[in-house]
Formats: sequence, C-alpha cells, structure tokens
Amino acid sequence: DQQVKQNSPSLSVQEGRISILNCDYTNSMFDYFLWYKKYPAEGPTFLISISSIKDKNEDGRFTVFLNKSAKHLSLHIVPSQPGDSAVYFCAASPGLGGGGSNYKLTFGKGTLLTVNP
Amino acid sequence: GAVVSQHPSWVICKSGTSVKIECRSLDFQATTMFWYRQFPKQSLMLMATSNEGSKATYEQGVEKDKFLINHASLTLSTLTVTSAHPEDSSFYICSAPGEWTDTQYFGPGTRLTVL
Repeated sequence: DQQVKQNSPSLSVQEGRISILNCDYTNSMFDYFLWYKKYPAEGPTFLISISSIKDKNEDGRFTVFLNKSAKHLSLHIVPSQPGDSAVYFCAASPGLGGGGSNYKLTFGKGTLLTVNP
Repeated sequence: GAVVSQHPSWVICKSGTSVKIECRSLDFQATTMFWYRQFPKQSLMLMATSNEGSKATYEQGVEKDKFLINHASLTLSTLTVTSAHPEDSSFYICSAPGEWTDTQYFGPGTRLTVL
C-alpha cells in the first residue's frame, strides 16, 4: 500500500514557465511534508517543507501548497530553469519533533522534471 | 543547512565479503539516523532507524542480521552489509534530522556493487 503517491513519473516544461509537481497521500497521521530534489547517484537535497497547520509555504522560486482535506500537495517552481531538471521526491512524516519514528519519512516514487531551454 | 557525509561514496566487493558504510552528521548531533536503499528508478525505501545508545529498528522485510547497524556516537552511524551478495548491490543513503528542525538531511549516498 503506497501511502505517498506521485502519479506523474515525468514532467517536461519550457524554461521560464511554471513547473507543477503533484503528490497525494493516504495516511491521515502525516503532519509534515517535504520536497527533495535528487540527481542520479547523489543523495536527496532538501528543497522546502510544510506542516499541516499551513496551506502554503514559499521560498524563492519554490512554493508548496497543501490541501489537507484532499490529502494533496503540490510543488510550484516559477520560473523553471534548466538546472531544475532532476527527480523530485515528495515525502511525509508524522512529525513534529518528538524524535525517533516521528521523523520517519515515507517517500513517493518521484517525478522526473525536465526543463527545456 | 546541516551536512551529512557518507563514506565510502562507492565500493565494489566480492560476493561473501562484508562492507561497512559510515554516516556522519558533520555539524550537528543526531540521536536518530535513517538508512535507505534505492534501486534504479525506484523510490527511497527505508531500511532501518538507527538509535544512538540502543538497538536499531528495522523495517518489515529487512534482515537485521544481514544489515548490521551501529550508532556509535551522536554523530556516527554505520551500516554493515554482511556476507554481501549481488542482489545487495544498490545505492545506500543515510539521513539525519536537523537538531532544531523536522527536516531530514541526507548523505550523498554509497554505491555498492557486489560481484
């Protein structure tokens, strides 16, 4: 049973346009959501996160939206740049704090974003 | 952000040997670290939770006698793949939550190839 789903395995956008990456989850115990960017043969790099008490968090070109009732979150990248091309993973955890298993992340399968010049 | 290192970055070994992978939090302390495994074009699969001062917690289906975890200090966790077989070939990644945040920071990963 996949608790975090990224239904689009790939996405291709033009440079300068908006990239929207989607993620759905099923476990209502998830309280903290993160997006990671990953290049081949490297560890994931943290991008942005959001806790369930918020519906939006913005950091530069990256904005994450959370719709808790729909159990859906999305990552918006505006404007998209060729250097953004990577696999993006959505992750969720029970959070917040408390240590141990509260930090345990469940990942989606990732979406390969390609930004064309 | 916080920095997590892994060593080695890649290793090639013969079937039947044991391989140790180190995960270090460089500028913060981590009482908990996590070990993941990633197969090509697959998601990151959590293998185990490493706890400083106590036994690791393994996910269902992960053999604890094969993947030995030792959280020796607040900045170091090790994963030892014992009696490695070709099917253990994979990309192993560790992570640690930042000291004052729920965000997890990942190491660069270790590519294990078992011949």
